[in-house]
Amino acid sequence: EPEVTQTPSHQVTQMGQEVILRCVPISNHLYFYWYRQILGQKVEFLVSFYNNEISEKSEIFDDQFSVERPDGSNFTLKIRSTKLEDSAMYFCASSEQGMDTGELFFGEGSRLTVL
Amino acid sequence: ILNVEQSPQSLHVQEGDSTNFTCSFPSSNFYALHWYRWETAKSPEALFVMTLNGDEKKKGRISATLNTKEGYSYLYIKGSQPEDSATYLCASYNTGKLIFGQGTTLQVKP
Repeated sequence: EPEVTQTPSHQVTQMGQEVILRCVPISNHLYFYWYRQILGQKVEFLVSFYNNEISEKSEIFDDQFSVERPDGSNFTLKIRSTKLEDSAMYFCASSEQGMDTGELFFGEGSRLTVL
Repeated sequence: ILNVEQSPQSLHVQEGDSTNFTCSFPSSNFYALHWYRWETAKSPEALFVMTLNGDEKKKGRISATLNTKEGYSYLYIKGSQPEDSATYLCASYNTGKLIFGQGTTLQVKP
C-alpha cells in the first residue's frame, strides 16, 4: 500500500541551526501539507502546498519556515534558524483532493529536538 | 480563534462495550469534518471525511454522524476490541486550514 515517508525520524540540533525535514508523498497525490505537534498539545496546521505553490499557511509559518518540492517527488520543510520552541513532531501529509473533500495520508513524523 | 474540542479526553472500556465520543467545531464557515485514528508510534489514519449536515458514515464497527448546524460530530464504536485502542482525532476544515481537536484516547481492556 502506498505510504508517505519522512526522514529523518529524529533530529537533534542546536538553537540557531538550519534544519531540513524531508517527505516523499504518495506519488499520484496533488496536495501536500506540513503539520506539527508540540508535546502535550494539539496537532497544528503549518502549510498546504498545491500546484507548486503555497495555498495556505498558518500564523506559525513565519519567515523562518519555507517549503519546497525540488524534484517532483520530495517535499521539504526548512527551518532557517531553529528556536527552542520549534521542538515538536513534524508530520507531512498528502492527499488526492483538497482538505474540503479528501482524506489526508500522514507520514510517521520527524521528531525535532532543539537544544 | 477557531477551536475544535473533543470529549472525553480519555476513555477506558471493557472488550465488547460500545462507546462514543464527541467533537465540537465552529459551525460558521464549515466545509468538512475529518476523523482520524492514531495508534501509538504510527501515523494518523483517516476514518471519515464528512461534509453534509445529517451525514452518517460507517466503516466496519465504527460509524460517525455530523450536525453542521450545531457544530458537532459523534464517533461510535460498536463492540470495542483491544485493537481499537488508539487516539481518535477530529479536525474541522475551516477557512483553508484543518483545525484539530486534542483527541480522545481509548483504551479497551480484554
